[in-house]
Amino acid sequence: NAGVTQTPKFRILKIGQSMTLQCAQDMNHNYMYWYRQDPGMGLKLIYYSVGAGITDKGEVPNGYNVSRSTTEDFPLRLELAAPSQTSVYFCASSPRTEPGNTIYFGEGSWLTVV
Amino acid sequence: AQKITQTQPGMFVQEKEAVTLDCTYDTSDPSYGLFWYKQPSSGEMIFLIYQGSYDQQNATEGRYSLNFQKARKSANLVISASQLGDSAMYFCAMREMFGNEKLTFGTGTRLTIIP
Repeated sequence: NAGVTQTPKFRILKIGQSMTLQCAQDMNHNYMYWYRQDPGMGLKLIYYSVGAGITDKGEVPNGYNVSRSTTEDFPLRLELAAPSQTSVYFCASSPRTEPGNTIYFGEGSWLTVV
Repeated sequence: AQKITQTQPGMFVQEKEAVTLDCTYDTSDPSYGLFWYKQPSSGEMIFLIYQGSYDQQNATEGRYSLNFQKARKSANLVISASQLGDSAMYFCAMREMFGNEKLTFGTGTRLTIIP
């Protein structure tokens, strides 16, 4: 069972470079999320999507962009990488809006900007 | 305002003892869910337990139970008979029904089990 798959798992970027973190889920979930986790901290929401073609900003969207052209995929684009974007990025998905539906997380992508 | 507050940055507990990890929350939404996740050193987020705002009984999952006190807006995680493998970061999170659908996390508690 694949669940939520993130790639790459590790990446080093130079300041000013751009890259895309890929996220795919095979559970036909409507809701998808991108979180970042800074060292020793909790997770903060970057962007989320309630379905294909619909995205919205979370708490910390600056410096990122997303798209949701299909139900399965939710890529996160980093433009002009900065050291402040060094973090662990988690993609997640959820089947519906009911509070009890748990959110399934990918294994995380470790990004270092130097 | 902080939605989820975890006041214990770190805890040390003797193996086989019970441990309570504190979590308080703030919401005006009548329908919400409370979650606990475990994050071991390998980094993945592992779902532990869920409590709905309308649930009458406290949730239990094996050695995990959630002490839900709605009036106090408290959702503490209790781990019974702690094991060395319980050493990890623990995050409390809340999902509100209305408004947006995000899961809001606390800052976490690092639990270390001492042999």
